[in-house]
Amino acid sequence: EVQLVESGGGLVKPGGSLRLSCAASGFTFSSYSMNWVRQAPGKGLEWVSSISSSSSYIYYADSVKGRFTISRDNAKNSLYLQMNSLRAEDTAVYYCARVKSGWTNLIDYWGQGTLVTVSS
Amino acid sequence: EIVMTQSPATLSVSPGERATLSCRASQSVSSNLAWYQQKPGQAPRLLIYGASTRATGIPARFSGSGSGTEFTLTISSLQSEDFAVYYCQQYNNWPTFGPGTKVDIK
Repeated sequence: EVQLVESGGGLVKPGGSLRLSCAASGFTFSSYSMNWVRQAPGKGLEWVSSISSSSSYIYYADSVKGRFTISRDNAKNSLYLQMNSLRAEDTAVYYCARVKSGWTNLIDYWGQGTLVTVSS
Repeated sequence: EIVMTQSPATLSVSPGERATLSCRASQSVSSNLAWYQQKPGQAPRLLIYGASTRATGIPARFSGSGSGTEFTLTISSLQSEDFAVYYCQQYNNWPTFGPGTKVDIK
């Protein structure tokens, strides 16, 4: 069974930093591209960042470019999102999401999410 | 950026009735369109991809159609567990999602 478990969320002040983690199990993590997607409270879904299976290709939404860094450790079956210079508008549930094998940008499994609140 | 729109914002349906949800893309996404279901406090679940292919384990009452810019998700006979928010997503380019359609009990 595919499992994606996020951690690292919490309350942080504007301008602060946070590092999210996602522990993957139930599949060969090193073979899959992964995404971070976020959802502000009561709002819709917004793609944040993508990383290919070997970390060769990395992409960011314009809203986070230069502030967030995605990375992965295939030996630890883990995905990360380093978030710096956080703003109130970054407040959201952050989901770790797997890209369906053989497809580009199609998400087939999501974690349960971790809440990030940016507030003074 | 490809902008996705969905209609209606809310759809009130009685159990056993048919529900038809619409999704429109600001430019052609070919058949690179997925539908997700999200219940309160839960992660989204993939229902349909390739505009019309059901994901693993999805009941046959869910069907998708369309291509280019106009897409439809149909739930043939609503069950109690189907009341949720439904999002469309294009993956022809960087992923973008529609604002969602909430299906609630009439």
